[in-house]
Amino acid sequence: QSVLTQPPSVSAAPGQKVTISCSGSSSNIGNNYVSWYQQLPGTAPKLLIYETNKRPSGIPDRFSGSKSGTSATLGITGLQTGDEADYYCGTWDSSLSVVVFGGGTKLTVL
Amino acid sequence: EVQLVESGGDLVQPGGSLRLSCAASGFTFSSYSMNWVRQAPGKGLESISYISGSSTTIYYADSVKGRFTISRDNAKNSLYLQMNSLRAEDTAVYYCARVRVGADYWYFDLWGRGTLVTVSS
Repeated sequence: QSVLTQPPSVSAAPGQKVTISCSGSSSNIGNNYVSWYQQLPGTAPKLLIYETNKRPSGIPDRFSGSKSGTSATLGITGLQTGDEADYYCGTWDSSLSVVVFGGGTKLTVL
Repeated sequence: EVQLVESGGDLVQPGGSLRLSCAASGFTFSSYSMNWVRQAPGKGLESISYISGSSTTIYYADSVKGRFTISRDNAKNSLYLQMNSLRAEDTAVYYCARVRVGADYWYFDLWGRGTLVTVSS
């Protein structure tokens, strides 16, 4: 059971937009920045979003992050088949004193 | 090229030991905190251990505390994970990751490709 809650799967058609939610509590998302990671099949995770809404160099602006209260959201526009991957949210939990992740969301581009 | 390369994964019997290594290149290794993150087959990510750049601060997840030891050699640009008393539930791909940490943020901006540890008789 993950500390952060994500939907197991989401799907959308190419070119469309999708959002992935990440729900937590005041001890994690509520008071800390959120990061998002993309894990393509058979590969290592890659940083997609950091400090809730910032993109590392090389990450297209089709990817965006936001937060409201104790929930965070990853948005992906202009979906491509190459976006099919598992997506994880993560943050620091001040009560547990550990980094916590969501259980991951599998994105299918139909 | 900025990269992390793990090694040392293997098949080991329950109760056995293993030492993982992570070689860093392309950046000033001593300036960064590092972390080990593991992923059991078909499962999500679990952060298991953290070490600051000067090794003064170390954290362990409860799941590995007392059995695993993280260390680093900044002269060799290397990170290590000594794993003792291994259990079947330690079976996973182990990633080393570079940490960016502040008062209210903690994220992993560089990951290695991972090394597979299988604990089975």
